[in-house]
Amino acid sequence: EAGVAQSPRYKIIEKRQSVAFWCNPISGHATLYWYQQILGQGPKLLIQFQNNGVVDDSQLPKDRFSAERLKGVDSTLKIQPAKLEDSAVYLCASSLGTGRGYTFGSGTRLTVV
Amino acid sequence: KQEVTQIPAALSVPEGENLVLNCSFTDSAIYNLQWFRQDPGKGLTSLLLIQSSQREQTSGRLNASLDKSSGRSTLYIAASQPGDSATYLCAVGSGGGADGLTFGKGTHLIIQP
Repeated sequence: EAGVAQSPRYKIIEKRQSVAFWCNPISGHATLYWYQQILGQGPKLLIQFQNNGVVDDSQLPKDRFSAERLKGVDSTLKIQPAKLEDSAVYLCASSLGTGRGYTFGSGTRLTVV
Repeated sequence: KQEVTQIPAALSVPEGENLVLNCSFTDSAIYNLQWFRQDPGKGLTSLLLIQSSQREQTSGRLNASLDKSSGRSTLYIAASQPGDSATYLCAVGSGGGADGLTFGKGTHLIIQP
């Protein structure tokens, strides 16, 4: 089966600019997650979708981050405006459901200068 | 708030050795625990998934155990090979609708040829 697709692979922007990341989960996976992984740290959950509804966004910095999952398939994560501390790898993952295990994409490496 | 700790942070051993990576978590009310592998510049690859009702899981040369009551898990790698060099991440899931994972910082493993 095809894996979780993410684009772009790399992005460099200046602080205060905006950026968007795209994720296409495995076909049939109802649950989609976005994680932020800062260098030297483990991934941190930003937001979880079940179909096109938000299940958990408690750790999403809502003043600058937003995410949507239209039609319960693809998802986009946006940062506006970006800060230096947003430099990280943004990982998308999908799952068939609770306890079914995750599949991660290769991530988007964001550098804010 | 769940916290996950992995020890050691880094490990370098000669090829052929058996080794143990440790993971501890503060809240024993977990739904499952997963071990992932992360190669440089890549996403996460799921190695083993242990449900809260299970004590261990095995896949090839890998064996993961779970002791929920003490908040500990170990990943045992038998007959290590240079290809095992990677960062190993432990993550716990809380279950329910919001089942995002809480990750440790990982163990950076180097197997010397």
